[in-house]
Amino acid sequence: QKEVEQDPGPLSVPEGAIVSLNCTYSNSAFQYFMWYRQYSRKGPELLMYTYSSGNKEDGRFTAQVDKSSKYISLFIRDSQPSDSATYLCAVSRQLTFGSGTQLTVLP
Amino acid sequence: DTGVSQDPRHKITKRGQNVTFRCDPISEHNRLYWYRQTLGQGPEFLTYFQNEAQLEKSRLLSDRFSAERPKGSFSTLEIQRTEQGDSAMYLCASSAYGAGGTGELFFGEGSRLTVL
Repeated sequence: QKEVEQDPGPLSVPEGAIVSLNCTYSNSAFQYFMWYRQYSRKGPELLMYTYSSGNKEDGRFTAQVDKSSKYISLFIRDSQPSDSATYLCAVSRQLTFGSGTQLTVLP
Repeated sequence: DTGVSQDPRHKITKRGQNVTFRCDPISEHNRLYWYRQTLGQGPEFLTYFQNEAQLEKSRLLSDRFSAERPKGSFSTLEIQRTEQGDSAMYLCASSAYGAGGTGELFFGEGSRLTVL
């Protein structure tokens, strides 16, 4: 079993839609949870960072961690074409990544 | 640009040749990480340094792979006797870990290796 499983893509939504991206993880000891965004041919960039359980909001982005079910989510409100990228969840300080979900927001 | 820089951006080599990638981290970042990413997958951790000390190596890092960070600044990743399965994007990241540092990893744009 992989340490981090991410919903496979690709995902295509119309502009303005709410996007939900999800991951599950296997090790209950993980305390750090992150979402990275990666544009084509670029390195990943940190979007959201959460320590332990709970929600964190930053503009149109909300990260949610449910440690009881080992489930992490990223919600994007009012999605824009510029949000089109691959989204990667990651856990722990050494960063174990999910496989990524490719998101396309259609204008 | 004061971000993480990697060189070369793309390397094409023949099977069996040796290749070396260089990473220049953000200045004053004490930690430096190497990851490998293949198409359609997330980055996989290879190794990391704190200053010049290599603190952890993944089992993915076979004996054909060696990484150094001799003066605690730039780092090199060498792959000897390349195989076609080594074709991937090699990503470097750095972070400021410890007092005053957030620990956030900043990634470079990667070095893409193609082994023919």
